[in-house]
Amino acid sequence: DVKVTQSSRYLVKRTGEKVFLECVQDMDHENMFWYRQDPGLGLRLIYFSYDVKMKEKGDIPEGYSVSREKKERFSLILESASTNQTSMYLCASRLLWGYEQYFGPGTRLTVT
Amino acid sequence: ILNVEQSPQSLHVQEGDSTNFTCSFPSSNFYALHWYRWETAKSPEALFVMTLNGDEKKKGRISATLNTKEGYSYLYIKGSQPEDSATYLCAFPTGTASKLTFGTGTRLQVTL
Repeated sequence: DVKVTQSSRYLVKRTGEKVFLECVQDMDHENMFWYRQDPGLGLRLIYFSYDVKMKEKGDIPEGYSVSREKKERFSLILESASTNQTSMYLCASRLLWGYEQYFGPGTRLTVT
Repeated sequence: ILNVEQSPQSLHVQEGDSTNFTCSFPSSNFYALHWYRWETAKSPEALFVMTLNGDEKKKGRISATLNTKEGYSYLYIKGSQPEDSATYLCAFPTGTASKLTFGTGTRLQVTL
């Protein structure tokens, strides 16, 4: 079974803090994704990565950056957290030519 | 950003009822249509990936149909059970095949 894990289920940070959200997958998938989910808006793509050291902006990249130094790990970075970044963050991975995305359990981030 | 719309937004049915909901997507340049189920406190998981017009897929009591010419897919649940309570998301590849645009979901609640 594919397993996608995220470093925290719940996280509370203060405005202005630098925040790291980590995602690890164990199935050697090339593609990895970061989404955020907000009520009434559905899942929105922040960034994705085709492979190690490769990244591409999604639909809402402002205020975020990412890092993919190893194939299994994809990090989302909030350089200076703001209250409008309070959200549920989901990581996913996928084989390069596969259809299905496999999701982690999510991190609920609250920025106060 | 291409529009993927789902209706209804939420649905409340009794155990044993059959139900269905809709996903609408752009009919031009069709590639695939994904259905995911997202139970509370769990990871979204793939139900179906549909690629052919007229396709019908089934998993237990859940089935889905696809009409690529008119740009819609229906998800049916026969004899709903409380464990079917979840948010059902559809998603449509946009840009590259790797990127998915998600609808806002249909939240289904099944009560005894």
